[in-house]
Amino acid sequence: DAGVIQSPRHEVTEMGQEVTLRCKPISGHNSLFWYRQTMMRGLELLIYFNNNVPIDDSGMPEDRFSAKMPNASFSTLKIQPSEPRDSAVYFCASSLSRDEQFFGPGTRLTVL
Amino acid sequence: QKEVEQDPGPLSVPEGAIVSLNCTYSNSAFQYFMWYRQYSRKGPELLMYTYSSGNKEDGRFTAQVDKSSKYISLFIRDSQPSDSATYLCAMRRNTNAGKSTFGDGTTLTVKP
Repeated sequence: DAGVIQSPRHEVTEMGQEVTLRCKPISGHNSLFWYRQTMMRGLELLIYFNNNVPIDDSGMPEDRFSAKMPNASFSTLKIQPSEPRDSAVYFCASSLSRDEQFFGPGTRLTVL
Repeated sequence: QKEVEQDPGPLSVPEGAIVSLNCTYSNSAFQYFMWYRQYSRKGPELLMYTYSSGNKEDGRFTAQVDKSSKYISLFIRDSQPSDSATYLCAMRRNTNAGKSTFGDGTTLTVKP
């Protein structure tokens, strides 16, 4: 099985640029989560979807962040415009209902 | 105050030692308790999963939940260098399908 797939694995961009992170969940899973991890703040839940519908986006830091899940096999997290404080590792995870969350390898974002 | 507080570490022990990792929480509605292990530059992976109070053992690992004290622990017996990783506790409510609250993690190093 492929597991959760994230792309790109690394992204370096300049302040003000748009950044799009992509995630393909495990086939058959109906919940998808976007997390951000930093040394200072640990692992933070940004948003999660259930059956492609956003359920809780209270963790999204501000309007510069948006997430979509157009179908069961794809999700994006977009930052526009990006800022240096957005530098972090962004994880996507998927699960089947209340079961274990399976995490992807993460995207390491650096905003200069 | 965070809902989940985790002993910050870092923790360094010799090979063969018994390790105790701990979390406290404030939300009495939490019913499911999990421990994730995260190797450097990887996504977290589920290690142990328990429901309500009690102990659960899996090989060298024992998860313990004390709901009356709002305290959970992970014990590692006969620790190995391969156990060197960051351990994150996580917990969620019964009704909030899928959404978990994570601790900040404790980094463990087991020296040969």
